[in-house]
Amino acid sequence: DTGVSQDPRHKITKRGQNVTFRCDPISEHNRLYWYRQTLGQGPEFLTYFQNEAQLEKSRLLSDRFSAERPKGSFSTLEIQRTEQGDSAMYLCASSPDRGNSETQYFGPGTRLLVL
Amino acid sequence: GESVGLHLPTLSVQEGDNSIINCAYSNSASDYFIWYKQESGKGPQFIIDIRSNMDKRQGQRVTVLLNKTVKHLSLQIAATQPGDSAVYFCAETALSSYKLIFGSGTRLLVRP
Repeated sequence: DTGVSQDPRHKITKRGQNVTFRCDPISEHNRLYWYRQTLGQGPEFLTYFQNEAQLEKSRLLSDRFSAERPKGSFSTLEIQRTEQGDSAMYLCASSPDRGNSETQYFGPGTRLLVL
Repeated sequence: GESVGLHLPTLSVQEGDNSIINCAYSNSASDYFIWYKQESGKGPQFIIDIRSNMDKRQGQRVTVLLNKTVKHLSLQIAATQPGDSAVYFCAETALSSYKLIFGSGTRLLVRP
């Protein structure tokens, strides 16, 4: 499978715990994006990487959230001191740096439930 | 007909009929548009895209129409099949940008 992969697919945690999600983009895609989607809504942009550089963070991304892409390949999204309002689907997408760079291909998402 | 449930408008069609899903986009500076299909528990799946220098683009069983004057986008699905049942989102962006802005979505239900 050469698509975007995410791990884990599901995560249940207690309020106050830290969680970390992983995204592996399509091979050779230099651009990587994180989105959050709540039930009944479209995905909302969280942050964007070009290679290892994090170039934009949404105001949705509070200081409890941190994303990294240390080697310009896979990325991690960490949420510290989780709150019930963090419950959502966290989606990762990637796109090439050249050609049709605007077309983002999404992974299956990680569904987070904070109890 | 259409109904509203769980914040999503719903379009119910008979199998074999054509479906038309509409979307109003927000930013007049947007110049690239994508339709995504999202099945329950899965990530959005790319269907078709269109750039602002076009007003129509066709794929396999799908057609996207763009009306920049009224900032309106539509997705037409020919001969709708049960496998087309999903939530459909339009997304907009500018060529100079990197983030997609998604519409609110439409749930398509295909009656056998």
